[in-house]
Amino acid sequence: GENVEQHPSTLSVQEGDSAVIKCTYSDSASNYFPWYKQELGKRPQLIIDIRSNVGEKKDQRIAVTLNKTAKHFSLHITETQPEDSAVYFCAASKPAESNFGNEKLTFGTGTRLTIIP
Amino acid sequence: DAGVTQSPTHLIKTRGQQVTLRCSPKSGHDTVSWYQQALGQGPQFIFQYYEEEERQRGNFPDRFSGHQFPNYSSELNVNALLLGDSALYLCASSLKPGLYEQYFGPGTRLTVT
Repeated sequence: GENVEQHPSTLSVQEGDSAVIKCTYSDSASNYFPWYKQELGKRPQLIIDIRSNVGEKKDQRIAVTLNKTAKHFSLHITETQPEDSAVYFCAASKPAESNFGNEKLTFGTGTRLTIIP
Repeated sequence: DAGVTQSPTHLIKTRGQQVTLRCSPKSGHDTVSWYQQALGQGPQFIFQYYEEEERQRGNFPDRFSGHQFPNYSSELNVNALLLGDSALYLCASSLKPGLYEQYFGPGTRLTVT
């Protein structure tokens, strides 16, 4: 099955600097890659996603890049702020064999991002 | 616009007991997926329901079962609870299985003693 690896497990960044989190996936059939932010004691929140037909997507201070050949994708957060502190999860899914939508989301192990004021 | 809701928020059970968790999807969504999130880990897929049927299943034993009702809400049942079942159980809803974006509920924290 799909395997998603995520690095680093912890990341501390000075406020205003950029943060980059990287994920690799194993199944070349995967075509959907979301990123979730989970604050302590709260639900995972979808912050950005990318599909395999594009290489980059941007939403204000957040961007995601995808390299299908290398099977890796990255989250970039620029001009970091204290409220960016949280655990970030990447995930991947592929089309179901039944041709009925996509299969389950397989998550990485998470990155704890701390923004230092 | 109501988001995904789950009940109860917290639950304490004893080994061997059975538990039922509930989920109401986001308004307009008809597909519900359940995930188990152990402390410090990413969510692990349990199963997905669409049109009141289990469509996909992860690597969880038969002790984990579910149901989806005509109003799209869903239940997760766990029998013969083990200490290792202690986790945050998350429900996520989406509009059809194929339209990708999944929105998570706040979760139910289950503690098995």
